[in-house]
Amino acid sequence: AQKVTQAQTEISVVEKEDVTLDCVYETRDTTYYLFWYKQPPSGELVFLIRRNSFDEQNEISGRYSWNFQKSTSSFNFTITASQVVDSAVYFCALRAFGNEKLTFGTGTRLTIIP
Amino acid sequence: GAVVSQHPSRVICKSGTSVKIECRSLDFQATTMFWYRQFPKQSLMLMATSNEGSKATYEQGVEKDKFLINHASLTLSTLTVTSAHPEDSSFYICSAYRGELYGYTFGSGTRLTVV
Repeated sequence: AQKVTQAQTEISVVEKEDVTLDCVYETRDTTYYLFWYKQPPSGELVFLIRRNSFDEQNEISGRYSWNFQKSTSSFNFTITASQVVDSAVYFCALRAFGNEKLTFGTGTRLTIIP
Repeated sequence: GAVVSQHPSRVICKSGTSVKIECRSLDFQATTMFWYRQFPKQSLMLMATSNEGSKATYEQGVEKDKFLINHASLTLSTLTVTSAHPEDSSFYICSAYRGELYGYTFGSGTRLTVV
């Protein structure tokens, strides 16, 4: 069985601060994908990143960066210099190779205070 | 980019009536569509997987007679909530799977309120 844990239910930071959202996963599969999605108040899910299990390189995209550590089964997401537009619920998700179903974490509600 | 158009975005219906939610893939064919339900401040729970031309596969605990899913074409999947009750009020989201390379495209969601 697969499981994704996002222990931080809600986080509030002041604008321009950096913030890290934690994601820990469990899977018996040796090959899998990890994802992050953003869900703004409007409700739609916005794809942020997909990372496969054999690529542990960290990734940076503008103010966003991701730290994938297989040894600790973690795939953390950092926003630097946060902005009000970053306020949303962020979901981490997992799926095994060959299985189309996504397993979502419980989400972290991020509020950026102006 | 690829878009999944989901309608309606919001619907209010009376208890006992049925509501149909449509997800239409634009500019691509969706052989597989996932339907999720999301309660306020909670995660997305997979309800069912539909494949074009075949019966949907429902997750454990989801009533297939209550949540009718039809995937009659490669561009349209529908979810019908039959005999809706207030406890069916929720946010429903569809997601088209576009293969290993392109992954998932989500609809914008439907907020259903049953009064």
